[in-house]
Amino acid sequence: DVKVTQSSRYLVKRTGEKVFLECVQDMDHENMFWYRQDPGLGLRLIYFSYDVKMKEKGDIPEGYSVSREKKERFSLILESASTNQTSMYLCASWADTEAFFGQGTRLTVV
Amino acid sequence: AQSVSQHNHHVILSEAASLELGCNYSYGGTVNLFWYVQYPGQHLQLLLKYFSGDPLVKGIKGFEAEFIKSKFSFNLRKPSVQWSDTAEYFCAVIPTGGFKTIFGAGTRLFVKA
Repeated sequence: DVKVTQSSRYLVKRTGEKVFLECVQDMDHENMFWYRQDPGLGLRLIYFSYDVKMKEKGDIPEGYSVSREKKERFSLILESASTNQTSMYLCASWADTEAFFGQGTRLTVV
Repeated sequence: AQSVSQHNHHVILSEAASLELGCNYSYGGTVNLFWYVQYPGQHLQLLLKYFSGDPLVKGIKGFEAEFIKSKFSFNLRKPSVQWSDTAEYFCAVIPTGGFKTIFGAGTRLFVKA
């Protein structure tokens, strides 16, 4: 069974803080993704990575960065958290024919 | 730009009613199509997928979807819903050969017991 693990289920951070969201997959997949999920907007792609140290911007990269130092780990970084980044963040790992998702991290920025 | 449109944001049905959730996409080339489901408190999981062949695809839990190329549609159906089908359903598209998934906004289904 493919497992995608996100380090936190719930996070509360203050405005201006630097926030790290961690994601680890155990199936040696090359492609990993970060989405944010908001009601009525579905899943929007923030960044994705197709190999170690390789990254591409998704549809809404502003205010975010990513790091992929090892194949199994893909980190999302909020450089300076703002209240409009309060959301559910989903990490996914892509096999040949489908994406596998983590449980999500619900981030609240106060 | 590629996009996926789900026609209903909220659907409320009684148990045993039939379900059809609409999904249309815009993309000029060939695509692979997916439906994902997210049950309350759980992670997104694959319901069914279409890559090629028979355009009528059967998935888990009695769901099926039909790809109609001429209409750029991939509607999800179930003949008789159950209370346990209460969830949010997402249609998704990937251009063939790619891996960047485009998701629809989702449809929240509530099934009354």
